[in-house]
Amino acid sequence: GAVVSQHPSRVICKSGTSVKIECRSLDFQATTMFWYRQFPKQSLMLMATSNEGSKATYEQGVEKDKFLINHASLTLSTLTVTSAHPEDSSFYICSASGPAGGNEQFFGPGTRLTVL
Amino acid sequence: EDQVTQSPEALRLQEGESSSLNCSYTVSGLRGLFWYRQDPGKGPEFLFTLYSAGEEKEKERLKATLTKKESFLHITAPKPEDSATYLCAVLGGSGTYKYIFGTGTRLKVLA
Repeated sequence: GAVVSQHPSRVICKSGTSVKIECRSLDFQATTMFWYRQFPKQSLMLMATSNEGSKATYEQGVEKDKFLINHASLTLSTLTVTSAHPEDSSFYICSASGPAGGNEQFFGPGTRLTVL
Repeated sequence: EDQVTQSPEALRLQEGESSSLNCSYTVSGLRGLFWYRQDPGKGPEFLFTLYSAGEEKEKERLKATLTKKESFLHITAPKPEDSATYLCAVLGGSGTYKYIFGTGTRLKVLA
């Protein structure tokens, strides 16, 4: 149980285009979903926290107009990187909490974004 | 200030050589301490949740313990497939609860 999927696993795009990443909790309803960014050999950097039906809460320094988060249902959250630039290239990971009322976060497999 | 510190940053073990990873934390109102395993290019995999001092959890060669200041992840007779980065996180805080992740311990087990 507690499986989280992400799609796509890899994406390569041209500078200036927008990219959407989907995060789904497959076998539970997620009360909260999180989006992280991870640079090579570094730990997770929290970008934003979202609850179903409400606006996401962004961490300091994260541009909300650039990283659009939509938490449309209890099983789906999306992250859209708008007007992507090479410096947005990174490993993006989502997580979800909520199964059985627990506090654990269950992570997706991650999405490798490369902006050319 | 709430924080999580993991040590060592990196650890190399021979197969079968038991050891422990440390996660020290300072947080008000601990709501849980979590251990994860992360393989390169993948999302973290949930291992354990600990809620109160004295609690222990086991899974195969791994055993997690918790005190009021730190948690240990004991690895008994490790195998090469245990090589990964192990992350510790806490949930807590005064007012709004927040998750705080440590920077991880990179474990390499040599055959």
